[in-house]
Amino acid sequence: QVQLVESGGGLVKPGGSLRLSCAASGFTFSDYYMSWIRQAPGKGLEWVSYITSTSSYTTYADSVKGRFTISRDDAKKSLFLQMNSLSAEDTAIYYCARDGGAHLGNYYIDFWGQGTLVTVSS
Amino acid sequence: QSALTQPASVSGSPGQSITISCTGTSSDIGSYNLVSWYQQHPGKAPKLMIYEVTKRPSGVSNRFSGSKSGNTASLTISGLQAEDEADYFCCSFGGSITLIFGGGTKLTVL
Repeated sequence: QVQLVESGGGLVKPGGSLRLSCAASGFTFSDYYMSWIRQAPGKGLEWVSYITSTSSYTTYADSVKGRFTISRDDAKKSLFLQMNSLSAEDTAIYYCARDGGAHLGNYYIDFWGQGTLVTVSS
Repeated sequence: QSALTQPASVSGSPGQSITISCTGTSSDIGSYNLVSWYQQHPGKAPKLMIYEVTKRPSGVSNRFSGSKSGNTASLTISGLQAEDEADYFCCSFGGSITLIFGGGTKLTVL
């Protein structure tokens, strides 16, 4: 069965950096577009970033562009999010998410991880 | 990348039907049949309920249905049950490999 397990969250000071990881299993990871989506405490969902199946393209929400970098290691079936210049507004649960289509983006999320909490506070 | 607009809350009695609206623009909902809906219970990850406006994933009850007209998408839940009480989020493809979510709607089953 499809599993996505995030790690790397924690408490970080404003201006600091953090790298999130997502370990995938139960499907051919290299075939799928992957995404990071976040949810601030008590708030709604916010799409953060997408990476295509061949890593040809990466896209970002305006709120994180220039600060966050998404990447993947298909050999290790892993997705990553490098987060720099963090601020309190980045405090959220970060979900690793699989796009619903193989090889091409279908632009819906069919599987979600359980999330990892990132708290930015001094 | 402005969020899609959803009502903050809706409610209904068991057995009734409710509809949650999701309003976007001609650049997102109005341009693509790529609207999806997610259910989220407290403390849990979201769950896909509807994709590509009207399609239901395997295992999702046929009490859930989706539609779209112009720049507005809708999720209808018929025969409300207690376990339907949750937050619901709409989402649309925003072009250029991006997604836009709605602010979420809290469904209360009275």
